[in-house]
Amino acid sequence: GESVGLHLPTLSVQEGDNSIINCAYSNSASDYFIWYKQESGKGPQFIIDIRSNMDKRQGQRVTVLLNKTVKHLSLQIAATQPGDSAVYFCAENPASIPTFGRGTSLIVHP
Amino acid sequence: GAGVSQSPRYKVAKRGQDVALRCDPISGHVSLFWYQQALGQGPEFLTYFQNEAQLDKSGLPSDRFFAERPEGSVSTLKIQRTQQEDSAVYLCASSLAGNAKNIQYFGAGTRLSVL
Repeated sequence: GESVGLHLPTLSVQEGDNSIINCAYSNSASDYFIWYKQESGKGPQFIIDIRSNMDKRQGQRVTVLLNKTVKHLSLQIAATQPGDSAVYFCAENPASIPTFGRGTSLIVHP
Repeated sequence: GAGVSQSPRYKVAKRGQDVALRCDPISGHVSLFWYQQALGQGPEFLTYFQNEAQLDKSGLPSDRFFAERPEGSVSTLKIQRTQQEDSAVYLCASSLAGNAKNIQYFGAGTRLSVL
């Protein structure tokens, strides 16, 4: 079946470095993608979204890139801070129900 | 403003016991979703309401799971005759408009442990 997956389960970075979290999707009908951040003991929190008619979208310190050719999504976090430590999920919405990947744990070392 | 509120935060149940999990969405939000999140996994969709109508319950794992939202606001997820495999965090999310392509706001979840 088609599914959303993440390449790396854990990413460790130094404070101040840039972080890149990757996500592969296989449902070609997906036209809307969302990145969520989940801190321990909390529910997922919306970070940024992108529609399939865009290749790039920027937020505050975050950028999402969408490559529809290879069905790849990435989240870039600039100047990573300890508060960015969390699990990051990408989710795709091919129709009406979002499908979440497994998640990548981002660990930021001071 | 108030976010999505879930109660209880933690629930310990003996196998075979019935449990009820409550979700208070953000006021005015049309859509409400329930997810199940196992340890180390992403949230798995259970069911979706638009106002009081349950539009999709395809993710409910068995007929022991039942959800309702009778007045289009508060929702309850009920699990009958709980089993150990039901142990997970149950997340509720709401969104303003009537489709999932809107930002979902999640509650902190209810952690259910079935002994």
